[in-house]
Amino acid sequence: SAVISQKPSRDICQRGTSLTIQCQVDSQVTMMFWYRQQPGQSLTLIATANQGSEATYESGFVIDKFPISRPNLTFSTLTVSNMSPEDSSIYLCSVEGFRSNEQFFGPGTRLTVL
Amino acid sequence: QKEVEQDPGPLSVPEGAIVSLNCTYSNSAFQYFMWYRQYSRKGPELLMYTYSSGNKEDGRFTAQVDKSSKYISLFIRDSQPSDSATYLCAMSAGGFKTIFGAGTRLFVKA
Repeated sequence: SAVISQKPSRDICQRGTSLTIQCQVDSQVTMMFWYRQQPGQSLTLIATANQGSEATYESGFVIDKFPISRPNLTFSTLTVSNMSPEDSSIYLCSVEGFRSNEQFFGPGTRLTVL
Repeated sequence: QKEVEQDPGPLSVPEGAIVSLNCTYSNSAFQYFMWYRQYSRKGPELLMYTYSSGNKEDGRFTAQVDKSSKYISLFIRDSQPSDSATYLCAMSAGGFKTIFGAGTRLFVKA
């Protein structure tokens, strides 16, 4: 399985600011995914990021709010823009595995917006 | 109705007990079924992966899929305190879109 790291592991931010979360993988992967995990709720896919193309966003998520970069096959960033307390959540990146629909997750970034 | 339903628990059992975790789903197109384990303040870790119906065993863990009933289960034998975590079911019809359950919190008491 891939080894995935995320930075920062946690942060406390002020309303109206932006935070960029980094995701680094120890091997080259085509597909990377960004999820949000709110307390007591299931993981919700924000977007899928392929290297060399625009990210594909799920319903309810827009590029202006969650811009994503995917500059190469081992790295991606997710920015949470103009934050409000409702954005307080855990943000997870994941990568595709070898089997269909298999995913490996990073440790997550715990974000609190005051 | 949610596509995937999972009882959030918490489920508390004594060490050594057999644990049964379950999910129901509504989409008959789901073909891939996974169970993830998530420790506190960690990312989900893939535990079991099953394609289509049937059983799969890995050590103390057994995953069952009953597509006719749209019901999947994870059994943990001889449960240990280290099994205390949140268990997420996940399923997909393919194409990288995976639907996750909300997770069941499990506590195994020593």
